Amino acid sequence: SSELTQDPAVSVALGQTVRITCQGDSLRSYYASWYQQKPGQAPVLVIYGKNNRPSGIPDRFSGSSSGNTASLTITGAQAEDEADYYCNSRDSSGNNWVFGGGTKLTVL
Amino acid sequence: EVQLVESGGGLVQPGGSLRLSCAASGFTFSSYWMSWVRQAPGKGLEWVANIKQDGSEKYYVDSVKGRFTISRDNAKNSLYLQMNSLRAEDTAVYYCARGQWLYYYYYYMDVWGKGTTVTVSS
Repeated sequence: SSELTQDPAVSVALGQTVRITCQGDSLRSYYASWYQQKPGQAPVLVIYGKNNRPSGIPDRFSGSSSGNTASLTITGAQAEDEADYYCNSRDSSGNNWVFGGGTKLTVL
Repeated sequence: EVQLVESGGGLVQPGGSLRLSCAASGFTFSSYWMSWVRQAPGKGLEWVANIKQDGSEKYYVDSVKGRFTISRDNAKNSLYLQMNSLRAEDTAVYYCARGQWLYYYYYYMDVWGKGTTVTVSS
């Protein structure tokens, strides 16, 4: 079982704000990174560190962390944001890495 | 253009072996950690292994320890995953990814290949 827990599915109305969460004890020590994956495509990094976006990622994507929970927020969700989102971090031992189970985001 | 291209996937019988390759281009391969991540059909992502720039540090998910070996050839800009004693549950798309460190504490994967498919079945 994954040491990082995500809600399996979340929906958001077009143009509204949605928060996708990731919970795990290791997140008290390590920031999560977040990946977007669309059907049939490779994952794409969208957030890393405290709240860093790679070049080319829209600024409607942001990250935050509190206690054992990391969050990915999409402010003003667009149709093209519909995808699976995965968090990733080191595990409690610090010597391995783990992905959350993923959250399927539907934009209504 | 920064690019990673995986190859070597295919159909293999349980107990068999396969060697995956990942060809890197567009960046200084020897300066980066590298990772393998897999995704079983219809399932989520699973981290498999990481390797340091010079190969001196390697980390594996428990389920592949003793069966899989990550390695690299910096002269050939290539990453490898030797997979032995394959099981049905190893069936997945295998991605290679470039690793980055923030403050050498937070690891993330910023460039991904398109993946290569491994099917373990009799």
